[in-house]
Amino acid sequence: EAQVTQNPRYLITVTGKKLTVTCSQNMNHEYMSWYRQDPGLGLRQIYYSMNVEVTDKGDVPEGYKVSRKEKRNFPLILESPSPNQTSLYFCASGLVAYAEQFFGPGTRLTVL
Amino acid sequence: QQQVKQSPQSLIVQKGGISIINCAYENTAFDYFPWYQQFPGKGPALLIAIRPDVSEKKEGRFTISFNKSAKQFSLHIMDSQPGDSATYFCAASRYGETSGSRLTFGEGTQLTVNP
Repeated sequence: EAQVTQNPRYLITVTGKKLTVTCSQNMNHEYMSWYRQDPGLGLRQIYYSMNVEVTDKGDVPEGYKVSRKEKRNFPLILESPSPNQTSLYFCASGLVAYAEQFFGPGTRLTVL
Repeated sequence: QQQVKQSPQSLIVQKGGISIINCAYENTAFDYFPWYQQFPGKGPALLIAIRPDVSEKKEGRFTISFNKSAKQFSLHIMDSQPGDSATYFCAASRYGETSGSRLTFGEGTQLTVNP
């Protein structure tokens, strides 16, 4: 089944404790991206990747890191999480940015 | 800086009515405008998309209208059904450009269709 998977689905952590949210797709897509969804603010892009080893900042990259060492994986790293990073996070992939984007199920993160 | 602005934030419609959601964009280089639908607990999914070579695109009960001069586009849902209750996002990007191209979303509209 073609899909984008994210783990974990739910996470409660404390300020400053490094965490990684994994994202994997099995559709051989070149383009992958991370979004955060907050009420009234919609989907805001954090980082995106055009291909392996090619990443770039989105609208809200502060406090986040990404890597794209393999085509299928695009982990999101929070080196020192803060409460303002409490949000719903989505990973997405597509052939290119202007093609249909397939979203993962989301990761609900709470930083205390 | 929100490059795509969406309204209204929430919308309540009676079953059988027409739902209309509007979006405005700033970047004149945008030439690909998709709409995504999100049900509670799920990720967004592509609903319908348009390019500016046409002013309207229809798929079933869903229609995108596009006004290039006004830099606006809208989603119309005809004969709205309770099953259409979801959050709708408009988005925009540059079509055909692989370098630096990315998809920018609006703020979302929570649609409720009452039975």
